[in-house]
Amino acid sequence: DIQMTQSPSSLSASVGDRVTITCRASQSISRYLNWYQQKPGKAPKVLIYAASRLQSGVPSRFSGSGSGTDFTLTISSLQPEDFATYLCQQTYSTPWTFGQGTRVEIK
Amino acid sequence: QVQLVQSGAEVKKPGASVKVSCKASGYTFTGYYMHWVRQAPGQGLEWMGRINPNSGGTNYVQRFQDRVTMTRDTSISTAYMELSRLTSDDTAVYYCAREAYYGDYVVEDYWGQGTLVTVSS
Repeated sequence: DIQMTQSPSSLSASVGDRVTITCRASQSISRYLNWYQQKPGKAPKVLIYAASRLQSGVPSRFSGSGSGTDFTLTISSLQPEDFATYLCQQTYSTPWTFGQGTRVEIK
Repeated sequence: QVQLVQSGAEVKKPGASVKVSCKASGYTFTGYYMHWVRQAPGQGLEWMGRINPNSGGTNYVQRFQDRVTMTRDTSISTAYMELSRLTSDDTAVYYCAREAYYGDYVVEDYWGQGTLVTVSS
């Protein structure tokens, strides 16, 4: 199975900050990488697919980059509604696997 | 609008089985694979497998292979996930999620609200 490792596991930031989260795959996954946002008690919501393509309806302050094994999710200006957990997922090969998540907390 | 509505919370004893349902609406049920993903308390997401509602064909994660059964009833647009021989490690929120393709790329674009399964003696 492909292992997905996110860093950091948590971070504290203020409204308006630029936030960067990284995700590393244990082998090359080309651009088969999705990013999800999950709030407590809620199902995940897809933000980015194919490493850098914004899902319809997702604000443009979210962006993704990377290919191969290293990927980044960036929030250009953190908003109050962005405090949540972010997870990466590889869909290069089954079983699809997720990173352990990065919790973004209010500073 | 697309909706996936799951059955309610369950409490089961070790060794028992649980069957979770996921009723789809707002789209053609047989046109999209349905995935099942679980999340243990305070843990990450774990993909369990998927079913093709059109054919009934399934793909299971190997570690669940002998305990999980995914089925569907196309007449009521509902997918099911049954997990047998439950242990405390199976305590988790179980989600169904629709698979969608954007070109070569696939996402889980709509999710159910989750079903908490608690395994306790």
